[in-house]
Amino acid sequence: KQEVTQIPAALSVPEGENLVLNCSFTDSAIYNLQWFRQDPGKGLTSLLLIQSSQREQTSGRLNASLDKSSGRSTLYIAASQPGDSATYLCAVANQAGTALIFGKGTTLSVSS
Amino acid sequence: GAGVSQTPSNKVTEKGKYVELRCDPISGHTALYWYRQSLGQGPEFLIYFQGTGAADDSGLPNDRFFAVRPEGSVSTLKIQRTERGDSAVYLCASSWTGGNEQFFGPGTRLTVL
Repeated sequence: KQEVTQIPAALSVPEGENLVLNCSFTDSAIYNLQWFRQDPGKGLTSLLLIQSSQREQTSGRLNASLDKSSGRSTLYIAASQPGDSATYLCAVANQAGTALIFGKGTTLSVSS
Repeated sequence: GAGVSQTPSNKVTEKGKYVELRCDPISGHTALYWYRQSLGQGPEFLIYFQGTGAADDSGLPNDRFFAVRPEGSVSTLKIQRTERGDSAVYLCASSWTGGNEQFFGPGTRLTVL
C-alpha cells in the first residue's frame, strides 16, 4: 500500500529565506506527483505537476524535483514571503492515474 | 464556471440522516474525483469517475456511501445513515482526463451531530 510522508510537519522561517519541503513515498510505481497549497479552511490549489518520466518542474519561485527510484520529491521555495504561509501537500497518483495519495502536509509560516 | 464548485459549503445533520453533496466540475473535464479530509490529515481518496461511470470506487469506506454522475458533468455524493465519524471536509476535484492535473473545489464541511 502506497504511503506518503512529508517532513517536516511544520516549519517557521523569516521572510526572504530559501527553503525545501520534503516528500517521500514507498512505492515507485506512480503515474505522477502533484504539489498543492492549502490555506486554512480552504480547498487545495495546484502548484506543480511532475509526470513520472520527468525530473523537475518550475513555476516562478517554486521548483519541484522527482527522484522516482528513491521515492523522493522536494519542493524548493525561493525568497520566501509572508504570503507563502500555508500548508503544502504532496500527492502521488497511483499507477492507473485514478487516485491521489496524499501526505499529511507541511505547515509553513513565514514571518516578516 | 471558472473552477470546481461545491454545494453546500457547510452541512450540519443529525446521526442517522441522509445527506447529498454536490460537485460541479470545470467545464469540459471528463474526470471527476471525490476525497474527504479530516482535521490535520491529507485528503483521502473516495471515488473516481471517467465520464458517467465510476471507474475506481476503491476508496468508499462502506456501502453507506454512494456517488453518481448521470450526465458526465455534475456529481452527487450520497451518504446514508450518517455517523459522527463521517464528519469531515468532502472535496471534489476534476481533470481533463484521468491522470491529468487535478483541480479542487472549496469543499463541503459535513458535521454529524
